[in-house]
Amino acid sequence: GQQVMQIPQYQHVQEGEDFTTYCNSSTTLSNIQWYKQRPGGHPVFLIQLVKSGEVKKQKRLTFQFGEAKKNSSLHITATQTTDVGTYFCAEDTSGGSYIPTFGRGTSLIVHP
Amino acid sequence: DTEVTQTPKHLVMGMTNKKSLKCEQHMGHRAMYWYKQKAKKPPELMFVYSYEKLSINESVPSRFSPECPNSSLLNLHLHALQPEDSALYLCASSQDRHNEQFFGPGTRLTVL
Repeated sequence: GQQVMQIPQYQHVQEGEDFTTYCNSSTTLSNIQWYKQRPGGHPVFLIQLVKSGEVKKQKRLTFQFGEAKKNSSLHITATQTTDVGTYFCAEDTSGGSYIPTFGRGTSLIVHP
Repeated sequence: DTEVTQTPKHLVMGMTNKKSLKCEQHMGHRAMYWYKQKAKKPPELMFVYSYEKLSINESVPSRFSPECPNSSLLNLHLHALQPEDSALYLCASSQDRHNEQFFGPGTRLTVL
């Protein structure tokens, strides 16, 4: 399937600053999932977005799914050192034959 | 039990060896996956099993041979690997192919 484009590749922030990563697809997505992978760890599921324009919050994390279901974002407010890791979106094209394809990921580095 | 386990954690093998990676889950999930992840790259899907049947093979070389003995177990048999096959091999499971995936800790494979 078409790989979803994820930007930026890296992001350095000072602790307390906000952070956003974006995923964009050329095709309509039936849903999109977000995962976090700590250094040396494995991907951990964060959330799945299904509905057009959906917004979900988990404490300091806000996830959005675009109205056209072609883009998504993850925003972290007031980053902490525990937020360090790589954040991946994983797409599911609307074709129904689910082949999970991960974006290249955004590595977040938080400086204390 | 809400985890996916993988053994071994680390594996070093020569190019003529035969080895197997094992994955187990007891969450009643009916889809299981093998991924390969190189350093600083996203996980790349290798195989998908759905209801114990191989449903997706992402053009993986025949030196990798998956096996799903039952709904809880997933194996990856390795034979005549190349040094470029060295990577983190991740197993994941999901309730079905349209739900979030739970990843195991991975097996770090080094091929000499």
